[in-house]
Amino acid sequence: AQTVTQSQPEMSVQEAETVTLSCTYDTSENNYYLFWYKQPPSRQMILVIRQEAYKQQNATENRFSVNFQKAAKSFSLKISDSQLGDTAMYFCAGYSTLTFGKGTMLLVSP
Amino acid sequence: NAGVTQTPKFQVLKTGQSMTLQCAQDMNHNSMYWYRQDPGMGLRLIYYSASEGTTDKGEVPNGYNVSRLNKREFSLRLESAAPSQTSVYFCASRKSDLFKSYGYTFGSGTRLTVV
Repeated sequence: AQTVTQSQPEMSVQEAETVTLSCTYDTSENNYYLFWYKQPPSRQMILVIRQEAYKQQNATENRFSVNFQKAAKSFSLKISDSQLGDTAMYFCAGYSTLTFGKGTMLLVSP
Repeated sequence: NAGVTQTPKFQVLKTGQSMTLQCAQDMNHNSMYWYRQDPGMGLRLIYYSASEGTTDKGEVPNGYNVSRLNKREFSLRLESAAPSQTSVYFCASRKSDLFKSYGYTFGSGTRLTVV
């Protein structure tokens, strides 16, 4: 069975600081994809960043970057220069049929 | 705007009633999915359709049926609603490609309450 684990139910950070959200996974697939999704209070699911497992280079999208450690099956999300609008639930997800972790609620305060 | 459209956005049902959640996408995506979101549980896959004419069970299919009506539309039916099916339901679609992964595009969700 494929599993995705997010061990931090909640995190807090102040504006302009950097925060890292953790995610570990387990799969028997050789070629797979990993994603981070953001869900603000509006409930909309927004793709933040994705990583292809066969690529060694970590994905980056503006202030968002990942630390992908394939051997350790770890896929953490780093948010730099945090903004109030980053306040949301963040979900790690992956594989060919998207499997989600339980989410991390991130609160960015002034 | 292009994307995934779900209807209705909110619904209240009585136990034992039936209803169908509608989902349509206009991005010419091959694959479509239904998820439910419960507090503290993340999103769990109910059913998916990898391509037109095929459907498969996900993690939590009991109590649900689906129909891939055509390439655009993928509906989810509750034949006899139960309070345990109170949840937020999301439809998603994805372009399938052997050589590249695309992110999933989600609808805005349906909040269903069964009383």
